[in-house]
Amino acid sequence: KAGVTQTPRYLIKTRGQQVTLSCSPISGHRSVSWYQQTPGQGLQFLFEYFSETQRNKGNFPGRFSGRQFSNSRSEMNVSTLELGDSALYLCASSPWSPKETQYFGPGTRLLVL
Amino acid sequence: AQKITQTQPGMFVQEKEAVTLDCTYDTSDQSYGLFWYKQPSSGEMIFLIYQGSYDEQNATEGRYSLNFQKARKSANLVISASQLGDSAMYFCAMRGDNFGNEKLTFGTGTRLTIIP
Repeated sequence: KAGVTQTPRYLIKTRGQQVTLSCSPISGHRSVSWYQQTPGQGLQFLFEYFSETQRNKGNFPGRFSGRQFSNSRSEMNVSTLELGDSALYLCASSPWSPKETQYFGPGTRLLVL
Repeated sequence: AQKITQTQPGMFVQEKEAVTLDCTYDTSDQSYGLFWYKQPSSGEMIFLIYQGSYDEQNATEGRYSLNFQKARKSANLVISASQLGDSAMYFCAMRGDNFGNEKLTFGTGTRLTIIP
C-alpha cells in the first residue's frame, strides 16, 4: 500500500502571499490530520478532517484553513503568510479516527521570506 | 489538557548497546493512547510503537519495546541492540479519548546519536 503523500515537498513564498498544501492519505483511510513543526514551538496540531468535515481544530489563527474532498484527499491553505509560518507541515492519516495510529507523510517544508 | 515531557534533549549511545528514551505524560482522560515516532533528518515521522492505557502488557515491536508504568505516568521507549540507522529524533506522543483530545500531543523530542 502506498503511504501518505504530500505535495509539494518544498516551497518558498514571500510575506503576504498565500499557499496551498496537498495531502493524499493511505488508500482507505478517511481521517486526515495536519500538524505544524517549528524549532520554537515543536509539533502542534492544526486540524483534523473526516468525511469532508472538520472535526477538531488546534489553536491557530483563521489564516490557517483546510478542506477535505470526497476521495479523502485534503488541502490546507495559509493566507497572508508571515515569517513565523515557516515550518514543516506534516499530514497524517488514519482509517477512521485520530484515535487510531496516525501515519505521516514526508511533509512540506515551507519557507517564508 | 494533555502534556508530554521528554527530559533528554540529546543522547549518545554506542552501537549495539540498549538505550532508553524517557517520556512522562499528564492527562485527565481515563482512556488514552501513547505513541513513539522516529523522525530522521528527512523529516518524515515514522510510527514505531503504540500502547493503550488499558493494555496490561508492555507493547513490543521488534527491537522496540515500551516500558509503560501507568501509576508513574511514564512510557519509556527501549531500543535493544542499537544500530547506526537508529540515529534520529524520537518523539513521544499521546492522544486522549475525550472529545477535543482526539489529536496527537507531542513532546519536545530526544535526538539520539549512535556512535560506531
